Amino acid sequence: SQTIHQWPATLVQPVGSPLSLECTVEGTSNPNLYWYRQAAGRGLQLLFYSVGIGQISSEVPQNLSASRPQDRQFILSSKKLLLSDSGFYLCAWSLALGTDTQYFGPGTRLTVL
Amino acid sequence: SQKIEQNSEALNIQEGKTATLTCNYTNYSPAYLQWYRQDPGRGPVFLLLIRENEKEKRKERLKVTFDTTLKQSLFHITASQPADSATYLCALDRGATNKLIFGTGTLLAVQP
Repeated sequence: SQTIHQWPATLVQPVGSPLSLECTVEGTSNPNLYWYRQAAGRGLQLLFYSVGIGQISSEVPQNLSASRPQDRQFILSSKKLLLSDSGFYLCAWSLALGTDTQYFGPGTRLTVL
Repeated sequence: SQKIEQNSEALNIQEGKTATLTCNYTNYSPAYLQWYRQDPGRGPVFLLLIRENEKEKRKERLKVTFDTTLKQSLFHITASQPADSATYLCALDRGATNKLIFGTGTLLAVQP
């Protein structure tokens, strides 16, 4: 069966510091991978998605970047965090072909102070 | 662009009753529509998918309907239990590859 991992679970960072969140998927090959942010009481905002190694599409211009160095690894980064980057970050995967049903990781709660 | 509307107000019902949640969309009809459950501090979990050519889909106590004329999906939980309390999100495909649009969700609270 497939599993998806995210770490860290929680993170408190000062404004201006760098960020690296990691997501890995097990039990499937060539998945589509996604990064979402969910602000308190808000919906899911798609930040990045990837259909393959090194292939990243950005949905919203922002202070963040994403990379996919391996087939089942997806990394969300920032060089300098802003207060507005606080939120709940979710990684998800879906099959390359099909109905785009997405399977989410446990999430990372990021607080920027 | 496609927009999804879910009732932002919490839905409070008594245990044993049927909960009905609504998802409306504003633009083109999607090829399929999905429902997810999200518990506080957790990632959403996929529940059901219904295709545009299906009127109704069932899974245990869950039932989803899809009306492309009304541009609406209804999500029903029969014989609701306190453990069903969560936020329920509806999601549509964007008509492009690999991406979904999620609604903001409706919080369901089932009172014992």
